[in-house]
Amino acid sequence: GQSLEQPSEVTAVEGAIVQINCTYQTSGFYGLSWYQQHDGGAPTFLSYNGLDGLEETGRFSSFLSRSDSYGYLLLQELQMKDSASYFCAVDNYGQNFVFGPGTRLSVLP
Amino acid sequence: DADVTQTPRNRITKTGKRIMLECSQTKGHDRMYWYRQDPGLGLQLIYYSFDVKDINKGEISDGYSVSRQAQAKFSLSLESAIPNQTALYFCATSDPRGGGEDTQYFGPGTRLTVL
Repeated sequence: GQSLEQPSEVTAVEGAIVQINCTYQTSGFYGLSWYQQHDGGAPTFLSYNGLDGLEETGRFSSFLSRSDSYGYLLLQELQMKDSASYFCAVDNYGQNFVFGPGTRLSVLP
Repeated sequence: DADVTQTPRNRITKTGKRIMLECSQTKGHDRMYWYRQDPGLGLQLIYYSFDVKDINKGEISDGYSVSRQAQAKFSLSLESAIPNQTALYFCATSDPRGGGEDTQYFGPGTRLTVL
């Protein structure tokens, strides 16, 4: 079976830093992706980790540890527009994707 | 123009009706996917296709069927809709790169309500 776990909700204030964790148990693994989804919108790609370590893209960074089956998304200098749901997704041997249940981030003024 | 489009955007239907949701893309990607999203939950894969002749079941394919009419078109059908198929449906495309990275591009979604 395949399963991913994420916290259901995270709350932080503008300007703060927040980390959203993802642990996974999958039969196949090429890499870990992160997607953002605003209410009523479509998921949009944020980042991908195929190798262990940190990937940085502007205010967002993502980390992967294959040995721990663990990754996280780090959002810095939070803005109100970052309020959204964030999903981790495992690339299942390049065949398809398995998505986590999502973490709803609320950014407070 | 949007790269991945879905029609209709909203649909209300009755139990037992046959429904088709359509997806078109102009990205030139070979891979296309159909997902279902229930409120407050993640995305569940229904079907995916790597090309016109390659269709694969996802984790929740029961009660659904698909047709890949062309590289650019991938349709999802509910043969006999039931209320627990009420959900938000997303189509996506992808184009895996040589290094293994595969980004999915999602359509705007179809909100389906089965009464």
